[in-house]
Amino acid sequence: GAGVSQSPSNKVTEKGKDVELRCDPISGHTALYWYRQSLGQGLEFLIYFQGNSAPDKSGLPSDRFSAERTGGSVSTLTIQRTQQEDSAVYLCASSLVADSNQPQHFGDGTRLSIL
Amino acid sequence: QKEVEQNSGPLSVPEGAIASLNCTYSDRGSQSFFWYRQYSGKSPELIMFIYSNGDKEDGRFTAQLNKASQYVSLLIRDSQPSDSATYLCAVSDSGTYKYIFGTGTRLKVLA
Repeated sequence: GAGVSQSPSNKVTEKGKDVELRCDPISGHTALYWYRQSLGQGLEFLIYFQGNSAPDKSGLPSDRFSAERTGGSVSTLTIQRTQQEDSAVYLCASSLVADSNQPQHFGDGTRLSIL
Repeated sequence: QKEVEQNSGPLSVPEGAIASLNCTYSDRGSQSFFWYRQYSGKSPELIMFIYSNGDKEDGRFTAQLNKASQYVSLLIRDSQPSDSATYLCAVSDSGTYKYIFGTGTRLKVLA
């Protein structure tokens, strides 16, 4: 497809389990961003990639969160030992390059619910 | 702390009217300004971006930028009920790769 693709679209899991969220950016986009949006809240920046490198991981909420990107394309956000406060919509966006002047295009998100 | 301020709304306008959505920002070095539309339960969709002072028009949408006043707005002409959504303003964080997002203005277009 032409847009940013995220999977799964919905994930329900029990507290304490690990989850993996996937993002496939627009073809040719070298920059990839992860955000989190809790119900009724604004967008919270988590991490970005330029190519396979993540120069700034300071937005990750805790060491239970990690992300990787391989082949300059697909990225995976992993949350270990999930907690109820992790429940949110996780959004991925991509842009041509990692530059704040570049438009970012969002995927449809993964709605994560922790029971 | 760099901030982007938006009135949360809801802003209610009758069908066919002009909706005016406003955004102020604190980072004087910001160069790029983006408007996203987010329908309830959906992800943000880029609808406009503007880099230069003045107006930029795209169909029923006009973005207006005044860097001296640190103010950016989005006008929607001939508003339709399908325009009812939350509109997010995003501003480039000077010197970094990030956007600074506002919390959004909820627009309701009344049929």
